[in-house]
Amino acid sequence: AQSVAQPEDQVNVAEGNPLTVKCTYSVSGNPYLFWYVQYPNRGLQFLLKYITGDNLVKGSYGFEAEFNKSQTSFHLKKPSALVSDSALYFCAVRDRVNYGGATNKLIFGTGTLLAVQP
Amino acid sequence: DGGITQSPKYLFRKEGQNVTLSCEQNLNHDAMYWYRQDPGQGLRLIYYSQIVNDFQKGDIAEGYSVSREKKESFPLTVTSAQKNPTAFYLCASSPLLSFNQPQHFGDGTRLSIL
Repeated sequence: AQSVAQPEDQVNVAEGNPLTVKCTYSVSGNPYLFWYVQYPNRGLQFLLKYITGDNLVKGSYGFEAEFNKSQTSFHLKKPSALVSDSALYFCAVRDRVNYGGATNKLIFGTGTLLAVQP
Repeated sequence: DGGITQSPKYLFRKEGQNVTLSCEQNLNHDAMYWYRQDPGQGLRLIYYSQIVNDFQKGDIAEGYSVSREKKESFPLTVTSAQKNPTAFYLCASSPLLSFNQPQHFGDGTRLSIL
């Protein structure tokens, strides 16, 4: 079965420091991977995706993510954190049916709360 | 601007009562989804629909029902059979069979028990 794991419930970082939010996945075939951000009492906002191609994906608000096939990881990164980056971050992978075809369904991790201290 | 509108933002349910959460989208997306979000558990899929008049159960469909009479609308009913309905409910949509496209989300409805 397809799955995605976010091993850290919370990540604390000082403003101006680099940040990393970790995500690992388990999927048959090539993965379609997504990162979303959620602010309090709001829906999820799309940040970036990996479908194929370059392992370093650039997204919204200065975020980027590094796809590593050998480590089955898709960590979210930002060179310099802002207090306004404090939010809940979700990693997701597109589900696949038994014969390997992708579906429209997404499987989400449990989320990582990013807290950026001023 | 195109988007997804969920209403109401806050909803309270009495014992034995059914309540319906509204979700409307003007993105011309074929596929729509309902998720339940509980603290520390991420998002869990309740129901999804890929076309009008058709829908499938997700991972936690018990105690919920949906309809898809129009492409733009995908209302969710939380029935009295759902014994623990307190949660944040999110509606999403996406193009059908466009696997490289993300799902778009509404701003959610928070449901509580009176």
